Amino acid sequence: DTGVSQDPRHKITKRGQNVTFRCDPISEHNRLYWYRQTLGQGPEFLTYFQNEAQLEKSRLLSDRFSAERPKGSFSTLEIQRTEQGDSAMYLCASRETYTEAFFGQGTRLTVV
Amino acid sequence: GQQVMQIPQYQHVQEGEDFTTYCNSSTTLSNIQWYKQRPGGHPVFLIQLVKSGEVKKQKRLTFQFGEAKKNSSLHITATQTTDVGTYFCAGNSGNTGKLIFGQGTTLQVKP
Repeated sequence: DTGVSQDPRHKITKRGQNVTFRCDPISEHNRLYWYRQTLGQGPEFLTYFQNEAQLEKSRLLSDRFSAERPKGSFSTLEIQRTEQGDSAMYLCASRETYTEAFFGQGTRLTVV
Repeated sequence: GQQVMQIPQYQHVQEGEDFTTYCNSSTTLSNIQWYKQRPGGHPVFLIQLVKSGEVKKQKRLTFQFGEAKKNSSLHITATQTTDVGTYFCAGNSGNTGKLIFGQGTTLQVKP
């Protein structure tokens, strides 16, 4: 499968715990995006990378969120001290510059 | 910061009726993309518009990019039940690679 893959697909965690999600983009894509989506809303931009450089991070994102893309390949998104408001679908997408974005299936996070 | 707004939020139509969703950006866009998300699925790319005033067609779908490159529309002729889903526009502004999505328009089609 040469599409975007995300792991895990589902995560249930207790409030206050840390969680980490992984995204493996399409290999030749230089840009990688993280979005958060809640029911009935559009994907909300979190951050994006060009190769290994994190070029922009949403101002709405608290310091509890951090993302990395070592060596410009896979990416991880970590949420520290999770809160119930963090419950959402976390989507990863990749693309070449100014072309279509390909989305993964997402990681559904539930904070209890 | 850049904002992308879509209207309407929901649209219920009878099968065979037409459907239109509108997208407006607070800033001039380099290009605009449209995606479709089926219930329980992830966004899937439909089309990209780049030029001012551009119109593109895909079978029953017609996409337009405004002259000022700040608005766009998607029109579906003679809707079918397979058109059900949420349609999102997403824009790039300036030289940034940041892709901002609208809130989407959810289309329900009654057979």
